[in-house]
Amino acid sequence: QVQLQESGPGLVKPSETLSLTCTVSGYSISSGFYWGWIRQPPGKGLEWIGTIYHIGDTYYNPSLKSRVTMSVDTSKNQFSLKLISVTAADTAVYYCARDGAFLEWPYWGQGTLVTVSS
Amino acid sequence: QSALTQPASVSGSPGQSITISCTGTSSDIGGSKYVSWYQQHPGKAPKLMIYDVSNRPSGVSNRFSGSKSGNTASLTISGLQAEDESDYYCNSYTTSSTWVFGGGTKLTVL
Repeated sequence: QVQLQESGPGLVKPSETLSLTCTVSGYSISSGFYWGWIRQPPGKGLEWIGTIYHIGDTYYNPSLKSRVTMSVDTSKNQFSLKLISVTAADTAVYYCARDGAFLEWPYWGQGTLVTVSS
Repeated sequence: QSALTQPASVSGSPGQSITISCTGTSSDIGGSKYVSWYQQHPGKAPKLMIYDVSNRPSGVSNRFSGSKSGNTASLTISGLQAEDESDYYCNSYTTSSTWVFGGGTKLTVL
């Protein structure tokens, strides 16, 4: 069974860089599928951040594209998110996810809360 | 890209049926067969309920069904049960190779 687990700092200062890692178990990232990051500000809805294909192709939300970088480390079976120049508006629960065969998201991590505050 | 439009809230009594709409454009819902729906209980990760417009993953009750017409997708829940009370989100793959979520709908079972 595919399992995903987010990790990273829970507190980031304004203007700094948010860095998160998703560790995957039960499936090898190098075998295929899209891997994504999705966030949810407190009390608000879901927002797609970006997706990386197992060979490294990336797709980003146009509204975040200038600040987002995603990468894959197949040796560690992990993929990562970097979001630069964060503000309080980037405070959210960040989820990593894997897509299915129809570009849906059947597999999710438990989510990790990242707070942007000085 | 703009978020897909969902009603903020819907409600229904146990046993009734409700439908949640999700309206987009020809660049997302109207131009894509890849529409999915998610249920999210408070403090939990979203759960996939419908994919590919109208398909149910294994283990999801057949009381949940999905459809699409033009730029609008719909999620119907029949035989409402108390456990269905939750937030629901639609999601679409777009013609720009991105994904977009709806704003979410809070379902209240009266």
